[in-house]
Amino acid sequence: EVQLVESGGGLVQPGRSMKLSCAASGFTFNNYDMAWVCQAPKKGLEWVATISYDGSSTYYRDSVKGRFTISRDNAKSTLYLQMDSLRSEDTATYYCARLNNSGYVGNWFAYWGQGTLVTVSS
Amino acid sequence: DTVLTQSPALAVSPGERVTISCRASESVSTLMHWYQQKPGQQPTLLIYLASNLESGVPARFSGSGSGTDFTLTIDPVEADDTATYYCQQSWNDPWTFGGGTKLELK
Repeated sequence: EVQLVESGGGLVQPGRSMKLSCAASGFTFNNYDMAWVCQAPKKGLEWVATISYDGSSTYYRDSVKGRFTISRDNAKSTLYLQMDSLRSEDTATYYCARLNNSGYVGNWFAYWGQGTLVTVSS
Repeated sequence: DTVLTQSPALAVSPGERVTISCRASESVSTLMHWYQQKPGQQPTLLIYLASNLESGVPARFSGSGSGTDFTLTIDPVEADDTATYYCQQSWNDPWTFGGGTKLELK
């Protein structure tokens, strides 16, 4: 059974940093691209970033480029999202997702974690 | 960015057929996918590549479309289908989601 368990969320002040983790199990982690998707309170879903199966390629939405960094440790089957210079508009539940296969074009979110809430506020 | 437009909400009775539409601002070929999100839960995959039913998803769900117009159909609707449904495209960069259609049962 595929399991994705996020951690690391909480309350953080604007301008500060936070690092999210996603522990994966139930599949061969280093065979799949992974992603983060966020959902602001009472709002819709928004893709944040994607990383290739081997970590060699990363993709970001414009609003987080230069502030967020997606990475992975295949030996630990763990996905990360380093979030710097946080803004109030980054407040959201962040979901870790396993993509269906590898490749940026045409992929989809096959499995989702339960999410971790990040609140950016002073 | 490719904007995906969905109707905000629908209300139907159990046993009825419902169609949820998603219109893209530019062609996404057939690289459209559908997700269900029940209240307080994470999204789950229903349909991928416009018309392919994800394993384990009831055959009451089906998808169709290509280019800019896509449809998710539920027939017949059951009480457990109360949820918000999102379309998502992965043809154009960045990947985008529709605003979601909240399905309520009468």
